[in-house]
Amino acid sequence: DAGITQSPRHKVTETGTPVTLRCHQTENHRYMYWYRQDPGHGLRLIHYSYGVKDTDKGEVSDGYSVSRSKTEDFLLTLESATSSQTSVYFCAISEPLSRGGGPEAFFGQGTRLTVV
Amino acid sequence: DQQVKQNSPSLSVQEGRISILNCDYTNSMFDYFLWYKKYPAEGPTFLISISSIKDKNEDGRFTVFLNKSAKHLSLHIVPSQPGDSAVYFCAASNFGGATNKLIFGTGTLLAVQP
Repeated sequence: DAGITQSPRHKVTETGTPVTLRCHQTENHRYMYWYRQDPGHGLRLIHYSYGVKDTDKGEVSDGYSVSRSKTEDFLLTLESATSSQTSVYFCAISEPLSRGGGPEAFFGQGTRLTVV
Repeated sequence: DQQVKQNSPSLSVQEGRISILNCDYTNSMFDYFLWYKKYPAEGPTFLISISSIKDKNEDGRFTVFLNKSAKHLSLHIVPSQPGDSAVYFCAASNFGGATNKLIFGTGTLLAVQP
């Protein structure tokens, strides 16, 4: 298994509160991603990082921000949580072709977030 | 605009028979296609991939077929086993691009009946 750890694994929070999810990898992979999984929508990309301090938006980025100050850590922040952000969040990592990577990404175990 | 589509939310097959999962895409720039398997309360795990320059890739019981002209791919599992029961996601990427972003379909729940 790829060395990816997500924390926390479960969280319940109240509407309007800030929440930060952490993804930690031990693989030294360059690319990191945050996805959310919702019924009927599959996995949708929120934000991704292509290097330390280099991040960009995915297809459902509104209400989310990210930071990557070290290769191994990628943080996802919900500045003011809403009920529509109740979801399962997955972190993923991959390597670029230039560093011998393949097309696949490796996923963490997920964080189940409930906003009440 | 959904670029990767899995039109069958669920599929049920008998143990030992063939499972065929389908996926369609719209973006002709995709150069790699992947299948992931996901069990409840776990992260998706990579199963098999295929380059756009090929039309078939096989790995044990799993074979992926790509029809570029129809923008369609399928995953065949032969023979199906109860342990194959899971949600299967199709994904596509522009692997030669800058970031390897994967675009996923909505998933198909496969139930293999003993």
